[in-house]
Amino acid sequence: QVHLVESGGGVVQPGGSLRLSCAASGFTFSNYGMHWVRQAPGKGLEWVAFIRHDRSNIYYADSVKGRFTISRDNSKNTLDLQMNSLRTEDSALYYCAKVASSSAGYFDPWGQGTLVTVSS
Amino acid sequence: EIVLTQSPATLSLSPGERATLSCRASQSVGSYLAWYQQKPGQAPRLLIYDASNRATGIPARFSGSGSGTDFSLTISSLEPDDSAVYYCQQRNNWPNLTFGGGTKVEIK
Repeated sequence: QVHLVESGGGVVQPGGSLRLSCAASGFTFSNYGMHWVRQAPGKGLEWVAFIRHDRSNIYYADSVKGRFTISRDNSKNTLDLQMNSLRTEDSALYYCAKVASSSAGYFDPWGQGTLVTVSS
Repeated sequence: EIVLTQSPATLSLSPGERATLSCRASQSVGSYLAWYQQKPGQAPRLLIYDASNRATGIPARFSGSGSGTDFSLTISSLEPDDSAVYYCQQRNNWPNLTFGGGTKVEIK
């Protein structure tokens, strides 16, 4: 059974940095691409970043490009998101999600999320 | 960027009724559209992928249809547990994945 657990969220000032982690279990992590998706409080879903299973392809949403860095450690079954130059509009619940079996472009399953609040 | 517009914003129906949710794309996404269900306080769950394929473990009362720019998610006979927000999402413009704004389904 796939299990994804995010951590690292918290309160940070604008311009600050935060590093999120996602611990994966229940599947062969090194075989699957992974995503980060976020959801501002009371709002909809926004895709943030993707990393291929072997790190050969990495993509970002325009809204975070140049500020966020996605990475993974296949030996530790962990996915990370380094967030720099944070803005108030980055405040959201951040989910990690495994690529769906049907396609890398879908998300299945999702973790429960970790909350990031950017505020002075 | 492909914009997905969902309607209605809220749907209020009684148990046993049929719910039809709409998702319209700003340009063709072929059949590369998924639907997710998000219950309060929970993460989203994949229901339908590639417009009409049910994900593993999804009840048969959920079905998807459409292609190009117009898509529908139908819940054939609503149950109280179906109360949730439903999102559509396209993968045609990979890697720029986008979601619709969601439809809230309320059970009377």
